[in-house]
Amino acid sequence: GENVEQHPSTLSVQEGDSAVIKCTYSDSASNYFPWYKQELGKGPQLIIDIRSNVGEKKDQRIAVTLNKTAKHFSLHITETQPEDSAVYFCAAPKETSGSRLTFGEGTQLTVNP
Amino acid sequence: DGGITQSPKYLFRKEGQNVTLSCEQNLNHDAMYWYRQDPGQGLRLIYYSQIVNDFQKGDIAEGYSVSREKKESFPLTVTSAQKNPTAFYLCASSAGGRAGTDTQYFGPGTRLTVL
Repeated sequence: GENVEQHPSTLSVQEGDSAVIKCTYSDSASNYFPWYKQELGKGPQLIIDIRSNVGEKKDQRIAVTLNKTAKHFSLHITETQPEDSAVYFCAAPKETSGSRLTFGEGTQLTVNP
Repeated sequence: DGGITQSPKYLFRKEGQNVTLSCEQNLNHDAMYWYRQDPGQGLRLIYYSQIVNDFQKGDIAEGYSVSREKKESFPLTVTSAQKNPTAFYLCASSAGGRAGTDTQYFGPGTRLTVL
């Protein structure tokens, strides 16, 4: 099964700076990588995902990059704002034949005004 | 959330009692999931269901039970056999059917506290 490692566990940046969170995975057959944002006391919300047929995907201030050779994918947030403060989770398919996901341990992002 | 509702938002249980957490979705999704989240921790899969009338154990199923009698509903019962049930419980659903590319959408969660 898939193993996902996420770094760093905590990240503090100044408003306006960029934030990068990285995840590595173990199964080279994995082909789908979502990112979730979880605000305090709420359920995780999908913010962006990428499939293995592309190397990068952008949505306004958020981008995800995928390096299949190295088996890692990263979340990039530019021009950070205080409302970006939350816990971010990456995930990868637990197996290639099902719908389960394996989640990273999460990154607590704090954007300081 | 949006198409996934969980109730109640907060739940208090006395030791030795069973409690049932509700999860309903109107997304017409085939697959549904229950996760447990402890403070500062990631998501651990309790049970999942790929289709109506079928479900499988996840990584931490002991002390929990589920049913999937209707496509839109996947209730979770926390039994007295669960020794440390205080946690945040999250329900999710996905369309299912596509190998390894299925997007999961989460509900708002239920916070269970054992008194």
